[in-house]
Amino acid sequence: DAKTTQPPSMDCAEGRAANLPCNHSTISGNEYVYWYRQIHSQGPQYIIHGLKNNETNEMASLIITEDRKSSTLILPHATLRDTAVYYCIVRYNTDKLIFGTGTRLQVFP
Amino acid sequence: DAGVIQSPRHEVTEMGQEVTLRCKPISGHNSLFWYRQTMMRGLELLIYFNNNVPIDDSGMPEDRFSAKMPNASFSTLKIQPSEPRDSAVYFCASSFGRGSNQPQHFGDGTRLSIL
Repeated sequence: DAKTTQPPSMDCAEGRAANLPCNHSTISGNEYVYWYRQIHSQGPQYIIHGLKNNETNEMASLIITEDRKSSTLILPHATLRDTAVYYCIVRYNTDKLIFGTGTRLQVFP
Repeated sequence: DAGVIQSPRHEVTEMGQEVTLRCKPISGHNSLFWYRQTMMRGLELLIYFNNNVPIDDSGMPEDRFSAKMPNASFSTLKIQPSEPRDSAVYFCASSFGRGSNQPQHFGDGTRLSIL
């Protein structure tokens, strides 16, 4: 699986959009981009995944660049409960998830 | 629907004792994964099963660790004998399909402390 690079930490004001970047410059054509988050003391929580097109669900939006070398997870209206570590993972046709160190998002009042 | 259920939530025991962690996957899921999380090494995949058969156990640290899945609704991870360096949070996850790019869903983990 391709490696990903994420900033170690970010801050976001409550009610504002949180934009979490991820670089995956070695991604291959069939690899999906997955996002998980881990709130303190809980198991990782699946957020969203995509291949080429932008994706949106009730939790977040995923924007993938046209060359697919980077992506951004958008939480449109961050709340204090969105404070967590966010993991970007690329994966193709494999059962394995390789977690990196992620981005620690702190949402402040 | 119930998510992945793990038990116990917390376990404290002395080194040398046998430890058994339990997992009930989401109904209908046929892939099951065991992960371990520590501050030093982050989240690591230990072993995973598909249709109750172990597919990849390359992440199992040593022979003291063993995992079984006797049926589609239950799995165990056993450590015997336990050592202080086994202290970690152990997560179980399940998904549908194999190599299908379906997301994995995690339980809340077992926090294991070996004294």
